[in-house]
Amino acid sequence: GESVGLHLPTLSVQEGDNSIINCAYSNSASDYFIWYKQESGKGPQFIIDIRSNMDKRQGQRVTVLLNKTVKHLSLQIAATQPGDSAVYFCAERRGSYDKVIFGPGTSLSVIP
Amino acid sequence: EAGVAQSPRYKIIEKRQSVAFWCNPISGHATLYWYQQILGQGPKLLIQFQNNGVVDDSQLPKDRFSAERLKGVDSTLKIQPAKLEDSAVYLCASSFSRIEAFFGQGTRLTVV
Repeated sequence: GESVGLHLPTLSVQEGDNSIINCAYSNSASDYFIWYKQESGKGPQFIIDIRSNMDKRQGQRVTVLLNKTVKHLSLQIAATQPGDSAVYFCAERRGSYDKVIFGPGTSLSVIP
Repeated sequence: EAGVAQSPRYKIIEKRQSVAFWCNPISGHATLYWYQQILGQGPKLLIQFQNNGVVDDSQLPKDRFSAERLKGVDSTLKIQPAKLEDSAVYLCASSFSRIEAFFGQGTRLTVV
């Protein structure tokens, strides 16, 4: 079946510290993995994606790591800022029509 | 560039009533998605259009939900009759080719 979260884990970090958000995925057929950020009252916003044949990709203040052996994905945010407070979702993109399936989210709270 | 527009932003209806949501995707985006997001969960894909054709509606409750995409541009999602468990945020997203999906702000539906 599709990945649907029933609980929302929470991560609290001090401003300026690094954050690590983890995600487990189930489908080995996915060709891209994506991280989205969702602020209260808004739709999800694309952060970064990684192709399934890569194990690391860096963006501005963010790094995504992919471990296909254990089907694990992580998002690292450097020097976390109050504006990073949001719910973060991992998602998988698969199929010829780029179906995007969301996983369970993690709520990140940044303490000033 | 204008984003994905959705209306209304909020809707409250009684169970067994009908409701319709409207989405105007980003100009030129061939792919349009409708997602249902229940509080505390990740978005669940309901239906995906490529131009004006449906490419995935495997999780759309077809006995009560319907969607169409007019001339490959705007789209409407309808629920008839609504149930209490349909209370959720309905998100529309669009994408061009394999570039990331852009989401609208969503319509928050409350069924009482």
